[in-house]
Amino acid sequence: GIQVEQSPPDLILQEGANSTLRCNFSDSVNNLQWFHQNPWGQLINLFYIPSGTKQNGRLSATTVATERYSLLYISSSQTTDSGVYFCAVGAKNRDDKIIFGKGTRLHILP
Amino acid sequence: EPEVTQTPSHQVTQMGQEVILRCVPISNHLYFYWYRQILGQKVEFLVSFYNNEISEKSEIFDDQFSVERPDGSNFTLKIRSTKLEDSAMYFCASSAWSRPSEQFFGPGTRLTVL
Repeated sequence: GIQVEQSPPDLILQEGANSTLRCNFSDSVNNLQWFHQNPWGQLINLFYIPSGTKQNGRLSATTVATERYSLLYISSSQTTDSGVYFCAVGAKNRDDKIIFGKGTRLHILP
Repeated sequence: EPEVTQTPSHQVTQMGQEVILRCVPISNHLYFYWYRQILGQKVEFLVSFYNNEISEKSEIFDDQFSVERPDGSNFTLKIRSTKLEDSAMYFCASSAWSRPSEQFFGPGTRLTVL
């Protein structure tokens, strides 16, 4: 099955800093989503981005499907950005399960 | 904005007991899913459900697990005889017919088996 690798596994930054989180996947996909898991455990949809670039406020994401990676950019980090960021992909021609990476744990210091 | 809801938010049960976790997917969605996340680990797929039947299940989803859509709005996960290792956060998700690959997750039910 598809393998999803996220890096770095952990990231500690000062408030106001920018960060780039990476997601590599091993096969063609028809879906890629980024989620933020907040300290209460909720999974918040950030982006549905099987290809191209999207922006939402201080967050943006880019997926280069042909090279099998996606990047999540967080600018001007705030303490509320802390949590775990997951990338999840769905296999080409499949509309059922999505496969999650192990996540990047982000801690923003005040 | 429509969202997936789950009840209860926390469930504590004794080993060997049956539990039912409940989900109300987004109202016009047709694809439904259960995932679980053991504490500190990644989110794992359990089962997908479409057109009133299971479309895929993982090896985790053994005979102790079952899913049901008892009416037009609820989607349930039943664990027949809970084990200690079933302790986890269980997430329900749903997706639309027009874009089945984009899944929306509920807030989760934290299950603790003692």
